[in-house]
Amino acid sequence: SAVISQKPSRDICQRGTSLTIQCQVDSQVTMMFWYRQQPGQSLTLIATANQGSEATYESGFVIDKFPISRPNLTFSTLTVSNMSPEDSSIYLCSVEGKDTQETQYFGPGTRLLVL
Amino acid sequence: GQNIDQPTEMTATEGAIVQINCTYQTSGFNGLFWYQQHAGEAPTFLSYNVLDGLEEKGRFSSFLSRSKGYSYLLLKELQMKDSASYLCAITGGGNKLTFGTGTQLKVEL
Repeated sequence: SAVISQKPSRDICQRGTSLTIQCQVDSQVTMMFWYRQQPGQSLTLIATANQGSEATYESGFVIDKFPISRPNLTFSTLTVSNMSPEDSSIYLCSVEGKDTQETQYFGPGTRLLVL
Repeated sequence: GQNIDQPTEMTATEGAIVQINCTYQTSGFNGLFWYQQHAGEAPTFLSYNVLDGLEEKGRFSSFLSRSKGYSYLLLKELQMKDSASYLCAITGGGNKLTFGTGTQLKVEL
């Protein structure tokens, strides 16, 4: 599977500010995804990051709050905008597997605390 | 819509066998995943079932019945390091995964 890194690994932010999370993969992948895992909860898909076009957002998530960039096949960013304490969560990127495209492999996650 | 049910938590003894069940209801179904997630870490892939039946991979096996909307993850010869959350996820196509709430497994001596 691909090696996936995320920056920052964790951050503490003030409400009203924005944070951009980076996801880097060591090989080209077609599909990249962004998930949120709130404390004690399972993973919820935020959006699919599409290379060369706008991200595809899931119900309940909007571009103004979670803008996503995908400039190439190895990199994506997720911005959490105008943060509130409810945005405190782990944010994970994932990529498709090389052997089975349906399988997703996850980055180490970014732990965000909003005060 | 989609609905996935798993037990919230389970406890088992080191060396024993434990079965973690997952039931699902969905309008479109391609396959079912099991992921393991240790506290503070990212989920790691365990198995992917598309066809009915049992797939074995070392100490871990996963079973799927598409007609019953049912899967289980079987862990044999439990070790303390198996204490983790086990996440069931389904895909209906388009690479979109929908996760269950996870089963927190505690392995005791």
